[in-house]
Parts: sequence; C-alpha cells; structure tokens
Amino acid sequence: DAGVIQSPRHEVTEMGQEVTLRCKPISGHDYLFWYRQTMMRGLELLIYFNNNVPIDDSGMPEDRFSAKMPNASFSTLKIQPSEPRDSAVYFCASSRQGERTEAFFGQGTRLTVV
Amino acid sequence: GNSVTQMEGPVTLSEEAFLTINCTYTATGYPSLFWYVQYPGEGLQLLLKATKADDKGSNKGFEATYRKETTSFHLEKGSVQVSDSAVYFCALRSTGGSYIPTFGRGTSLIVHP
Repeated sequence: DAGVIQSPRHEVTEMGQEVTLRCKPISGHDYLFWYRQTMMRGLELLIYFNNNVPIDDSGMPEDRFSAKMPNASFSTLKIQPSEPRDSAVYFCASSRQGERTEAFFGQGTRLTVV
Repeated sequence: GNSVTQMEGPVTLSEEAFLTINCTYTATGYPSLFWYVQYPGEGLQLLLKATKADDKGSNKGFEATYRKETTSFHLEKGSVQVSDSAVYFCALRSTGGSYIPTFGRGTSLIVHP
C-alpha cells in the first residue's frame, strides 16, 4: 500500500478564498483523523470519522471548517473563507479499529493564507 | 480524559550521547502507548509501541518501557546519531477514549556532530 496520501503538499491562497484539502486513507482502515499542527498549539485533532461517519468534530475551530468522507477511500477538509490564522500544516491519518493499532500519517499539506 | 505530557525541548546532544525523553500519561480504560518521530517536512511515523504494562517497545536502537505504576513511557537511546535529529511525540490510544490517538506536544531533538 502507498500509505496515506494527501494533496496538495503545499497551498498558498489569499484570505477569503476557499481551500480544499484531500486525503486518501490506507485501504481497510476504519478510522480517519484530521489534525492541524502549529508551533503554538502543537498537534490538534480537528475531526475524526469511523466507517465514513463523522464521530466527533468538536475540534473544528469554526463553522468555516467542514469535512466530508463520501466513501472509504476519500476525505476532504474545506475552509471557506480562509483566514491568515488558518496557516498551518494539516495532517490526515488513518488506522484500524482498536487501541493497540497505530495511526498512519500522510505527509501533510502546508497551508499558507496571505 | 486522556492526556500525555512530555518534556519540553529542544534537547541538544552531541553525537554518541545518551538520550532520554520523558513521557507521562493519564488515561481511562486500558491504554497502549506509542512513540512517533517526525522528520522535517514529513508526517509522523511510528517509532515503537507497547500495548500492556511492563512491555518494552524497541526499534532502531530506541527503547521505551510501559510503566503502569508510574504512568510513564520514557524514550531512551544509548548512542544518538546526527540522523536522529527530529521531533519525537509520545502518544496513547485507549479503550476509554473512543480510540482517539492522544499526542503530547512533541520534543525536538538536535544532535551535533
């Protein structure tokens, strides 16, 4: 398997624009997580899905953020409208069921909002 | 709830020095413990794990022992190399936390030649 695949790797956009980040999890994994990483806050969980169903989105900072998982092999994180404080690295991770299994991370999308 | 606390960095060492990065946790249920490593510009990748008390995880010369009595999972390496320079994250996943991986803040390690 190629691992978790995220696109794009880098995104530079102007304030107010819509941004869509994409993720393809590892086949057969039941869980998908979206994290945001910044120097100030470290690694924050934004939302996670179990079997394509959103379970907990309490980490989504504002209504400007939304996430979908239309099928087991694809998820999106959308920011509309984007703001400079959204600049961060966004990671997607997937895993199998169970507390003994590790999460596998994508390489991340570095978002810069100017 | 679940939480992970690890020592703040950066940790700066000379090559071949001994490394310890401290990690303690609080958890409901029965946690498994993990160390991840993040190299510059990359995502986190699993370094080692332990799934029950007194288990020792090891990989690439790194070791950590699951100590339930002290709720700790300290990372150690006997002789670090320049190529070990990275950010290290302690994490847990527990039956009591809906299986959500919980991460520490990360500790940056810088190894000088």
